[in-house]
Amino acid sequence: SQQGEEDPQALSIQEGENATMNCSYKTSINNLQWYRQNSGRGLVHLILIRSNEREKHSGRLRVTLDTSKKSSSLLITASRAADTASYFCATDGIGGFKTIFGAGTRLFVKA
Amino acid sequence: DTEVTQTPKHLVMGMTNKKSLKCEQHMGHRAMYWYKQKAKKPPELMFVYSYEKLSINESVPSRFSPECPNSSLLNLHLHALQPEDSALYLCASSQTGGKNIQYFGAGTRLSVL
Repeated sequence: SQQGEEDPQALSIQEGENATMNCSYKTSINNLQWYRQNSGRGLVHLILIRSNEREKHSGRLRVTLDTSKKSSSLLITASRAADTASYFCATDGIGGFKTIFGAGTRLFVKA
Repeated sequence: DTEVTQTPKHLVMGMTNKKSLKCEQHMGHRAMYWYKQKAKKPPELMFVYSYEKLSINESVPSRFSPECPNSSLLNLHLHALQPEDSALYLCASSQTGGKNIQYFGAGTRLSVL
């Protein structure tokens, strides 16, 4: 069963705009990760945030984590056409081996 | 080198065929994973190997048979598959367990006729 649920399911924006995606999960976690997947390809790790962290930045990416609400958000600033992809949050399950992916947000950035 | 290599990239097989998917990494990772991904869905975990031993089998049908010959290689043997098994099969590796970042291969696009 999926632990993470994401919204929106799909997002279409203009180049230069910011994109925000949200993820909710159900059980306690050690960390939460965000991955990107270009169409039909493998996933690429973007950022990891630990349960004792509230915010993390990496380049144009900003991730927040609210463990009291069991939710996380990914903000991509100044989006580019190359950011067009699906974005998944992923949480670690019991024992740490079982990574569970959220449903994903499909982002389309129009040039 | 942060590459996970999967072969073949595409595979078409009949329901009576036997085929294998291969995955290789040379990052010294000791955990390796197989995922199945249907179109517009997230990856679903199938198997996890830790230190070359099967540690998680997510109730996958026996027509899928994983094998980890050594710490760098992971195979998925396929036999008597059904059309609904058509999907993108992804391999990933990580340093140890799921708390670490996973590195994914590009996947094998499988079509079962």
